[in-house]
Amino acid sequence: GNSVTQMEGPVTLSEEAFLTINCTYTATGYPSLFWYVQYPGEGLQLLLKATKADDKGSNKGFEATYRKETTSFHLEKGSVQVSDSAVYFCALSDNTGGFKTIFGAGTRLFVKA
Amino acid sequence: DAGVIQSPRHEVTEMGQEVTLRCKPISGHNSLFWYRQTMMRGLELLIYFNNNVPIDDSGMPEDRFSAKMPNASFSTLKIQPSEPRDSAVYFCATTRDSVNTEAFFGQGTRLTVV
Repeated sequence: GNSVTQMEGPVTLSEEAFLTINCTYTATGYPSLFWYVQYPGEGLQLLLKATKADDKGSNKGFEATYRKETTSFHLEKGSVQVSDSAVYFCALSDNTGGFKTIFGAGTRLFVKA
Repeated sequence: DAGVIQSPRHEVTEMGQEVTLRCKPISGHNSLFWYRQTMMRGLELLIYFNNNVPIDDSGMPEDRFSAKMPNASFSTLKIQPSEPRDSAVYFCATTRDSVNTEAFFGQGTRLTVV
């Protein structure tokens, strides 16, 4: 079945450091890929998405490229801020089993001033 | 649109009591999901409805849990009887029927069973 695997956290970085959170997926069809972010006390919200191979999603300085050949969708940011501290979830959605979104386990990011 | 609305935001109940969590989806969204989030187990999908019909309830942990969606604008998740291990944050999320669209989450209900 479909699945998403992302790197375990927590990840601790200093402000202005470079961020990479790895995500790989397994899917039988042609999924869309997403990164969601969860701030403390809130629900998940969409950070960025890519709907086909080689697409790059971007938002708030975060980027991720849909790599079909490596089945990956790694999240990157060139310079993190304290306000980026949150839990990040990689996810996929396809139409096998009815448009269900599959989430990874989440990666907690701490950014120190 | 006000987004996905969940109630209550917080619930504290005694073991053995019945608990009902409520969700109002975004108008026009065809699919509704109930998730449970804990530190130990992360985000777990409990049940998924499409056009008010339960499609996949394989994530419901046991018979104490039940979910209904009587119409397109309301869903409930019920736990009866509740146990301390049910303590978690429960999220409702909704989507349109399209592989490219995002899931919209409510703010969650934090349930504490003492």
